[in-house]
Amino acid sequence: GEDVEQSLFLSVREGDSSVINCTYTDSSSTYLYWYKQEPGAGLQLLTYIFSNMDMKQDQRLTVLLNKKDKHLSLRIADTQTGDSAIYFCAESMGYSNSGYALNFGKGTSLLVTP
Amino acid sequence: DAGITQSPRHKVTETGTPVTLRCHQTENHRYMYWYRQDPGHGLRLIHYSYGVKDTDKGEVSDGYSVSRSKTEDFLLTLESATSSQTSVYFCAIRAESSYEQYFGPGTRLTVT
Repeated sequence: GEDVEQSLFLSVREGDSSVINCTYTDSSSTYLYWYKQEPGAGLQLLTYIFSNMDMKQDQRLTVLLNKKDKHLSLRIADTQTGDSAIYFCAESMGYSNSGYALNFGKGTSLLVTP
Repeated sequence: DAGITQSPRHKVTETGTPVTLRCHQTENHRYMYWYRQDPGHGLRLIHYSYGVKDTDKGEVSDGYSVSRSKTEDFLLTLESATSSQTSVYFCAIRAESSYEQYFGPGTRLTVT
């Protein structure tokens, strides 16, 4: 599919907020997802947002969606060293040609320093 | 992890040999997917299934085939492995009631 764009790297200090940005491709995407991947591990679903929402909050995570600009962001409050990982943005590609499979960005590597 | 297991977890094989990877789920989800993850490419869809015996191709399906004879099992076969198929392979399911998509732990395949 077309590219979902994410910046490749982000470095923050422990205790600060992290903001990971994503630009997706399909304005008709119904659901947008954020996944976390630690080294050598699988993908952990962090949160997802329905396209008719502007914001979703879940504990330390806040997702903001700007449909007009096709921009999605993930904010992590009070970032901890355990949050160091790769974060993937993904859009649902719909039913007709992919059975709701996901189109992923290349991932943002978050490094949290003490 | 939505009850998803993958086997084997690691495999080294030689060019030209057939390889089958297995994905097993315990919760009767209808939709199952195979992705591959490569540096610089994120995850890309290989094949997907929307029910027993119902499968279709994804973005990078060349060199791969799949089968789904039971709801719980989705098999990915490399008929004749090539070095370009060295990758980490992830299986995923879609939970229809919540639209959440969960991934298995992955299989690291090396083709020498």
